Amino acid sequence: DTEVTQTPKHLVMGMTNKKSLKCEQHMGHRAMYWYKQKAKKPPELMFVYSYEKLSINESVPSRFSPECPNSSLLNLHLHALQPEDSALYLCASSPPVGTSGRGNEQFFGPGTRLTVL
Amino acid sequence: QKEVEQDPGPLSVPEGAIVSLNCTYSNSAFQYFMWYRQYSRKGPELLMYTYSSGNKEDGRFTAQVDKSSKYISLFIRDSQPSDSATYLCGLCTSGSARQLTFGSGTQLTVLP
Repeated sequence: DTEVTQTPKHLVMGMTNKKSLKCEQHMGHRAMYWYKQKAKKPPELMFVYSYEKLSINESVPSRFSPECPNSSLLNLHLHALQPEDSALYLCASSPPVGTSGRGNEQFFGPGTRLTVL
Repeated sequence: QKEVEQDPGPLSVPEGAIVSLNCTYSNSAFQYFMWYRQYSRKGPELLMYTYSSGNKEDGRFTAQVDKSSKYISLFIRDSQPSDSATYLCGLCTSGSARQLTFGSGTQLTVLP
């Protein structure tokens, strides 16, 4: 298995809803990431998990809550979102840091397109 | 000044042309360099990953890094309409931060 999968592909939610995005990889990667991407912009980093521990939180509002239950799975819990949170949410993973500079490349999933009404 | 500058385009070329995509950066701590291709409404796909100055070739793609000039390039030979996408450079510093800094992306259209 050489890919990052994300579910659902599309999600429409109201501002009072609670929903979760799911990301999975079975490549033995020990770093996983959440990004947010608006149209015609590059991805913006939200969270980094390294060995199942949250290592970076880029000042993301608390209405986004990440969770890493195990080394293969990453969730993003959503609650009380705003219409401006509508975007493509991308998950990525990196292999363990090794020799010759390996481990810094990131492999992205297909994303979840989120619309907040 | 942004840490990574990338010409947003759009760039249109005829099929079969050689395409040159470029990024410049200001932070000499960037040591790892990636090129991603992103089709509309899809996730970025890693095309090339390199960490030393010089050229790296993979099929029709060549990544070039010049650390002394802080300049990276992606060349696409014999471009095809299926290469039409947005191309993003991604740069990373050494250490454990694993924080990828992206360029703004270049939108490429290859005309049949």
